[in-house]
Amino acid sequence: DAKTTQPNSMESNEEEPVHLPCNHSTISGTDYIHWYRQLPSQGPEYVIHGLTSNVNNRMASLAIAEDRKSSTLILHRATLRDAAVYYCILRDRHYGQNFVFGPGTRLSVLP
Amino acid sequence: GAGVSQSPSNKVTEKGKDVELRCDPISGHTALYWYRQSLGQGLEFLIYFQGNSAPDKSGLPSDRFSAERTGGSVSTLTIQRTQQEDSAVYLCASSLDSGRTDTQYFGPGTRLTVL
Repeated sequence: DAKTTQPNSMESNEEEPVHLPCNHSTISGTDYIHWYRQLPSQGPEYVIHGLTSNVNNRMASLAIAEDRKSSTLILHRATLRDAAVYYCILRDRHYGQNFVFGPGTRLSVLP
Repeated sequence: GAGVSQSPSNKVTEKGKDVELRCDPISGHTALYWYRQSLGQGLEFLIYFQGNSAPDKSGLPSDRFSAERTGGSVSTLTIQRTQQEDSAVYLCASSLDSGRTDTQYFGPGTRLTVL
């Protein structure tokens, strides 16, 4: 299975943009890139996903490198509620595969 | 609408006892997943159900762990003869199907403590 690597932790100031990087150099052509986040004492929640083109939704933006070997999750204005562990996951091309969660990036947001 | 629910929210048991953890997925979701998360760790896949197909049990750590899904809805994860290393948060997720783009919706988890 293709793997992802993320920094263990990052810090941001409140109301500033946050760029969370993810490397996935062994990604296959049909793997989708998914981002989930886990707030303290909660189950993970979906953030965004994409294949090749950049994606935007109400929560965040996903910027995908042209060679697809890396991607960046962008939170445009971090709030204290955005403090969480962010997971970058490649969805295996085989139908029905589970998500493989790595350790993720722990984002701290400073007031 | 109602999300994924799990019960109990917390379970404390003694080593050697059996425990049952319950998951109620979102209505209409055909795929159901169980994961566990040890303290400070990432999520570890346990088992996956898709419709009426045979479940993918490849993540179950030992034969003490089993799960069933009755009527394509509610699922129960059973751990027999619990050990201290089984202590973790057990998370259930469901999705509409299990395609590459499908979103998994997670429950709040059951925190299991084995004394």
